[in-house]
Amino acid sequence: DIQMTQSPSSLSASVGDRVTITCRASQSITTYLNWYQQKPGKAPKLLIHGASNLQSGVPSRFSGSGSGTDFTLTISSLQPEDYATYYCQQSYNITLTFGQGTKVEIK
Amino acid sequence: EVQLVESGGGLVQPGRSLRLSCAASGFTFDDYAIHWVRQAPGKGLEWVSGISWNSVSIGYADSVKGRFTISRDNAKNSLYLQMNSLRAEDTAFYYCAKDPMGVRAGYFHHWGQGTLVTVSS
Repeated sequence: DIQMTQSPSSLSASVGDRVTITCRASQSITTYLNWYQQKPGKAPKLLIHGASNLQSGVPSRFSGSGSGTDFTLTISSLQPEDYATYYCQQSYNITLTFGQGTKVEIK
Repeated sequence: EVQLVESGGGLVQPGRSLRLSCAASGFTFDDYAIHWVRQAPGKGLEWVSGISWNSVSIGYADSVKGRFTISRDNAKNSLYLQMNSLRAEDTAFYYCAKDPMGVRAGYFHHWGQGTLVTVSS
């Protein structure tokens, strides 16, 4: 299976900050990388698919980049509603795998 | 509006079986692949299984292979997960999640609210 490793596991940031979360795959997954946001007690929500394609309805402050093994999710200006846990997920292999998650907390 | 509603969760003893269901509405069910994704309480997400629109392509995580069986009934707009030989580590919220393609894009753009399965004696 392809292992997905996110860093950091958690971070504290203030409203208005630029936030970057990284995700590394154990082998090349080209651009088959997706990002989700999950708030407590809720189902995950798709933010980005194909490494950099913003899902319809997702604010433009979210962006994704990368290819091969290294990927980045960036929130350009953190808003109060962005405090959540973020997961990357590869769809390159028939066995789909997620990163362990990055919790974004209020500073 | 796309809706996915899971049911069938509950408390079950180790070694026993349980069948989860997912009722879909708001889209043409038999055009899309559907998946099960689970999340142990306080833990991360784990893909469990996925099935193509016509049930020809099916995949399982290694952790459930041989114990769980995914199926769908397109006439009833429903997805199922038959879970046998349940273990304590199968305790989780189980989400039904819609794929944007019929065969498999491998990501999830609509999710249900989840159903909790607790495996304990």
